[in-house]
Amino acid sequence: NAGVTQTPKFQVLKTGQSMTLQCAQDMNHNSMYWYRQDPGMGLRLIYYSASEGTTDKGEVPNGYNVSRLNKREFSLRLESAAPSQTSVYFCASSDGRGETQYFGPGTRLLVL
Amino acid sequence: RKEVEQDPGPFNVPEGATVAFNCTYSNSASQSFFWYRQDCRKEPKLLMSVYSSGNEDGRFTAQLNRASQYISLLIRDSKLSDSATYLCVVNNTGGFKTIFGAGTRLFVKA
Repeated sequence: NAGVTQTPKFQVLKTGQSMTLQCAQDMNHNSMYWYRQDPGMGLRLIYYSASEGTTDKGEVPNGYNVSRLNKREFSLRLESAAPSQTSVYFCASSDGRGETQYFGPGTRLLVL
Repeated sequence: RKEVEQDPGPFNVPEGATVAFNCTYSNSASQSFFWYRQDCRKEPKLLMSVYSSGNEDGRFTAQLNRASQYISLLIRDSKLSDSATYLCVVNNTGGFKTIFGAGTRLFVKA
């Protein structure tokens, strides 16, 4: 089992460019999450998907969109990247609410 | 006030030492509590869940004090491999919005 996988591992964008971060899990989990991690601030929830077909905003959704493509895959899209979106992005999955979350290896994004 | 607060450290301890981390949370309705470990430039991984009665896993002991709204992690007989950042994690009201503390950095030295 690969667990949670994310692509790409690194990305450099110019301000205004768009990109999609991909995430997939093979643990048959119902719930998936996108977080960003900035120095000194801990992980902050961007969006989550409680189950296939549903998505909801987290703490910092502005500037992002998500798609729960199927039970396995949950993508995060930046439509017009800004320097404030420079961060490390983690995808996670869990069996359900309040359960242990399993994280992917992260995507390091730099927006110039 | 942050919803979950931790001492950022760093804690610098020699091998074999006992070290304790504390964490406070603001939402009294919080239901699930965890400690995660994050190595440098890696993803967070579950270290242990925290139960009301307290729980132990080898050298690690976690405790929860609901009245004072704090969680603790005790590491006994520290190893070099324990060097990492320890994240206090709280799930509020059993929903999907899990709150992560900013983490406490631990360095264990030979």
